[in-house]
Amino acid sequence: AQKVTQAQTEISVVEKEDVTLDCVYETRDTTYYLFWYKQPPSGELVFLIRRNSFDEQNEISGRYSWNFQKSTSSFNFTITASQVVDSAVYFCALIGGGYGKLTFGQGTILTVHP
Amino acid sequence: DTAVSQTPKYLVTQMGNDKSIKCEQNLGHDTMYWYKQDSKKFLKIMFSYNNKELIINETVPNRFSPKSPDKAHLNLHINSLELGDSAVYFCASSQGVAYNEQFFGPGTRLTVL
Repeated sequence: AQKVTQAQTEISVVEKEDVTLDCVYETRDTTYYLFWYKQPPSGELVFLIRRNSFDEQNEISGRYSWNFQKSTSSFNFTITASQVVDSAVYFCALIGGGYGKLTFGQGTILTVHP
Repeated sequence: DTAVSQTPKYLVTQMGNDKSIKCEQNLGHDTMYWYKQDSKKFLKIMFSYNNKELIINETVPNRFSPKSPDKAHLNLHINSLELGDSAVYFCASSQGVAYNEQFFGPGTRLTVL
C-alpha cells in the first residue's frame, strides 16, 4: 500500500519569503514516481513535476525547486521569493507498482500575503 | 484548445436522481481516470481505463458506472444519488497506464440536495 503525508495543513507567508512544503511517502515498491500538483483557487489541478525513484538529483525550475531524499522518503518542494499568485493548495502524490494509480497527500494550503 | 474537458462544470440535483458527467481529452492519450475530491480536499482515484478497458476499480459503490466509448472519452454515470456523493469529480488522462503524469480536467462540482 502507498501512503503520502503532507504534515503541514496550512502555511501562511508574506510575499518574497521562501517557503518549503514537506512531503513524506511510504511504499514497498522499488520503482515509483513522485509528483507535485498545484490547485489554485480556480480549482483546476496543475501538474508541476514528476520524479522517478532512481533519480535523486534535485530539480530547479524558475522559483520552484524540489529536493528528493530517498533515505528519508521525502520529496520536498520549495518556492523561492513567493508571490501572491503562488497561493494555492499543493498536493504531493505517488504512483508505485504502475497502473497509474495516483495516491495523493492531504494537501497543503499555501497563502501568500502581499 | 482545451486538453481535458468536463461537462457540466456544476451539477445540482436531488437525492435519488441519476446523473452523468462527461469527459473528453484531445491529448491523444490512451488512459483516462476519474478522481473524487471531498470537502476536505482529499483526492482519491475511482476508476481508470486504458484503451477502453477497465484497469482500476477502487472500492466505489456500484451506483457509479464509468463508460468509455473510445480512448478520448470517459463518462461517469451515477445512479440513485446520495448526499455523500456531493464532491468535485475530476477526470484525468495520461499516455500509458504506468507512471506518466496525469493531466486533469477542470472538475465537476456535484451537489446533492
